[in-house]
Amino acid sequence: EDQVTQSPEALRLQEGESSSLNCSYTVSGLRGLFWYRQDPGKGPEFLFTLYSAGEEKEKERLKATLTKKESFLHITAPKPEDSATYLCAVRIINDYKLSFGAGTTVTVRA
Amino acid sequence: ETGVTQTPRHLVMGMTNKKSLKCEQHLGHNAMYWYKQSAKKPLELMFVYSLEERVENNSVPSRFSPECPNSSHLFLHLHTLQPEDSALYLCASSQDTGNSPLHFGNGTRLTVT
Repeated sequence: EDQVTQSPEALRLQEGESSSLNCSYTVSGLRGLFWYRQDPGKGPEFLFTLYSAGEEKEKERLKATLTKKESFLHITAPKPEDSATYLCAVRIINDYKLSFGAGTTVTVRA
Repeated sequence: ETGVTQTPRHLVMGMTNKKSLKCEQHLGHNAMYWYKQSAKKPLELMFVYSLEERVENNSVPSRFSPECPNSSHLFLHLHTLQPEDSALYLCASSQDTGNSPLHFGNGTRLTVT
C-alpha cells in the first residue's frame, strides 16, 4: 500500500499563476516530511524539512505547509525556471528510511 | 555544483557485461545510499551504508552488489543484468541515519540491452 501520494501527477501553469501541490501520507508517527525538486537529467535537490503539524517553511516563491495528514507546496507567481518535478518523502519514528511519492511535474509557460 | 559526484553519467551494457557505478561525496557525511528511479515510479531504496557498514539490503537481486570502502566512496557492481534494470541509479549521502535530509548526486542513466 502507498504511504505517500502526490497530486496532481502533472501541472501546467501560466507564468504568474499561483497554485499548490499536494502530498498526502498514511504513516503514523511522522518523524519528518521532506520536499525535493528534480530537474530533468539531474538528481533531486533538497528544499525543505517539516517536522510537525502547523509548521511552514519558505524559499523564494515556494512555501511548504504541514498538517497531520498532508503537506502542500505552494508556488506563488511561478516563473519558467520553477518548472521541475517536485518530490515529497516521509520518514517515520524509529526508522531512517525515506519513503518517496511519485512526484508532481510542474511546467510553467512564459 | 552537487557535493555528491556520480560516474559515469550514462552507461549502456549488455546482459552479460560486468560494470561498476561510482559515487563520491565531499560533504563529510557518514551515511550513503543507492536508489533506483524508474519512470513515473517512486524512488526505490536499494542499499544503505552507515559508517561503511551495510545497514539495509532492501531485497535487491544479487546481480547488484554494493561496496563501501570508506565513508566518502560507494560503488554499485553490476553483473548479468536484465532489460528491466534499465533506470536512473541515484547515490545519496546524509550526515547520519537520523533525521537529516539526503543529498543526491545526478545519477547514472543505465540502459541494459
